Amino acid sequence: AQSVAQPEDQVNVAEGNPLTVKCTYSVSGNPYLFWYVQYPNRGLQFLLKYITGDNLVKGSYGFEAEFNKSQTSFHLKKPSALVSDSALYFCAVREGFDSARQLTFGSGTQLTVLP
Amino acid sequence: NAGVTQTPKFRVLKTGQSMTLLCAQDMNHEYMYWYRQDPGMGLRLIHYSVGEGTTAKGEVPDGYNVSRLKKQNFLLGLESAAPSQTSVYFCASKNDRLAERGETQYFGPGTRLLVL
Repeated sequence: AQSVAQPEDQVNVAEGNPLTVKCTYSVSGNPYLFWYVQYPNRGLQFLLKYITGDNLVKGSYGFEAEFNKSQTSFHLKKPSALVSDSALYFCAVREGFDSARQLTFGSGTQLTVLP
Repeated sequence: NAGVTQTPKFRVLKTGQSMTLLCAQDMNHEYMYWYRQDPGMGLRLIHYSVGEGTTAKGEVPDGYNVSRLKKQNFLLGLESAAPSQTSVYFCASKNDRLAERGETQYFGPGTRLLVL
């Protein structure tokens, strides 16, 4: 079975400071990993993904994430947070080689960037 | 290019009533999904479709039915609504290519459903 955990329900950070939103995963084979962002009363928007290749993935709005196979983690990062980054962030995973698998989402982390 | 649209945006039902949620996409995607979002539980997959005329059960299919008669539309039905089905429902789609671009799901704006 595949699963993903976002250990923090809420992350607060001051504007201009670096931010990290944590994600760990569990799959039986190679993972496909995703980050999505949800603004209030909106659908989810794709931020970035790791399929294969470089462990550091760069995405939209200055976000990046690092795939760490040994720690089974895919933490989302940004060097300098903006108030407009405040939103709900979801990590998602699926088993890469099994095309019949669907995405499993984490429970979400509410990021608040304080001015 | 509207992407993924959902109808209606908000609905209030009484227990036992039925309704259909409509999802439409104009990206010619093969795969379509219905999720429900509940506080603290993330998104859970209800049903999905890998092509016109095909549907499959997801993680939480009970109490829901779906149909994919046209490639661009994916309907979610509640035959007899229950308060436990109060949720925000999201539709998503993606194309069928196995290349990297094919792995990204595109989401609609959501439908808020309240069952009294």
